[in-house]
Amino acid sequence: QQPVQSPQAVILREGEDAVINCSSSKALYSVHWYRQKHGEAPVFLMILLKGGEQKGHEKISASFNEKKQQSSLYLTASQLSYSGTYFCGTEGSGGSNYKLTFGKGTLLTVNP
Amino acid sequence: DVKVTQSSRYLVKRTGEKVFLECVQDMDHENMFWYRQDPGLGLRLIYFSYDVKMKEKGDIPEGYSVSREKKERFSLILESASTNQTSMYLCASSGGTGRAQPQHFGDGTRLSIL
Repeated sequence: QQPVQSPQAVILREGEDAVINCSSSKALYSVHWYRQKHGEAPVFLMILLKGGEQKGHEKISASFNEKKQQSSLYLTASQLSYSGTYFCGTEGSGGSNYKLTFGKGTLLTVNP
Repeated sequence: DVKVTQSSRYLVKRTGEKVFLECVQDMDHENMFWYRQDPGLGLRLIYFSYDVKMKEKGDIPEGYSVSREKKERFSLILESASTNQTSMYLCASSGGTGRAQPQHFGDGTRLSIL
């Protein structure tokens, strides 16, 4: 079952903050975040693991609430380069390794 | 950097044709994936493979099959293409045998079935 992302779209001015949420109805092992710019491949941003560990490459922070099975991505002091569609992918605690189920995405637009 | 290469950026085929989409990765990754991406639906997993000749169905496998004869190559096959298979197809790979591995995506193949 697909995780639910909110909001579906958000428009910011450069320097403003945004939060994107991802909620699942099943128990999760990890939550992955990706960003896709128009016409390009999705790019890995961060993984949050059950137990609090994070793996990421960029200066974007996130949290994972295991009790609620919810993750939030925090984009602070947004830059024009942050524009794109953000996807969360969830990995369940049971079942197959490797498999991610992605949400429908959140379109973020940062204007000057 | 990981490089995932999809054989075609754009492809146009006719209804009923057998269609092959090819994906090659250069990082010796164990796991490879095929997704389709449609507006408003996000990325949906069609099939994945965790080893050569091993495959598992994803969430929408109907109408598709896959082949992984070599570690670096993962093919998606549309046995008899239909118009509802017009979509963007994305291939991805990830390394390791444990959980929580980042996936690396190719640029996608935009497939139109006429």
